Amino acid sequence: DADVTQTPRNRITKTGKRIMLECSQTKGHDRMYWYRQDPGLGLRLIYYSFDVKDINKGEISDGYSVSRQAQAKFSLSLESAIPNQTALYFCAAPQEGGQFFGPGTRLTVL
Amino acid sequence: LAKTTQPISMDSYEGQEVNITCSHNNIATNDYITWYQQFPSQGPRFIIQGYKTKVTNEVASLFIPADRKSSTLSLPRVSLSDTAVYYCLVGEGGNTDKLIFGTGTRLQVFP
Repeated sequence: DADVTQTPRNRITKTGKRIMLECSQTKGHDRMYWYRQDPGLGLRLIYYSFDVKDINKGEISDGYSVSRQAQAKFSLSLESAIPNQTALYFCAAPQEGGQFFGPGTRLTVL
Repeated sequence: LAKTTQPISMDSYEGQEVNITCSHNNIATNDYITWYQQFPSQGPRFIIQGYKTKVTNEVASLFIPADRKSSTLSLPRVSLSDTAVYYCLVGEGGNTDKLIFGTGTRLQVFP
């Protein structure tokens, strides 16, 4: 397993606030991913990174930015949070056959 | 990327075998078929992956017919803890960068 951790696990914030979600992995993988999941739906890819200097937009990158500070860390930022960004956010890293997902961050924007 | 179609939900009872079929008519030559399991408020968990014929591991089997336009995830003797959403994904083998999740199949196992 990629041993992916996420902080915080839960966050409540207000519209317009800047929020950062953190993700770390311990296996030295080059690639890392951020997804969001809305109730009753599958995950959608926000951003992914091939290495520290290689960031790529996913399906729904508008309103989000990312930072790959080190190989082990991949942060997702909401510069000005809005209520429709309320969702579950998952970070992932590669594993054989697919991706290993972190425990998730439940974000609520009031 | 091939689109997949799965039943929205299925019900079963403990001890029964459950088969979830996924349709992927536009699968490409290089595409593999991967299944994930997701419990509420947890990240998806890889179950099994295959390219053709049959693949079996300690938790499931994956059956893929010769034309590869569909696949069936088979869960033997389900228990209550198998209640979850199951996702079928199709993507280029070795390329895990663009996983496309549909809405999945919600499996409910009853006592």
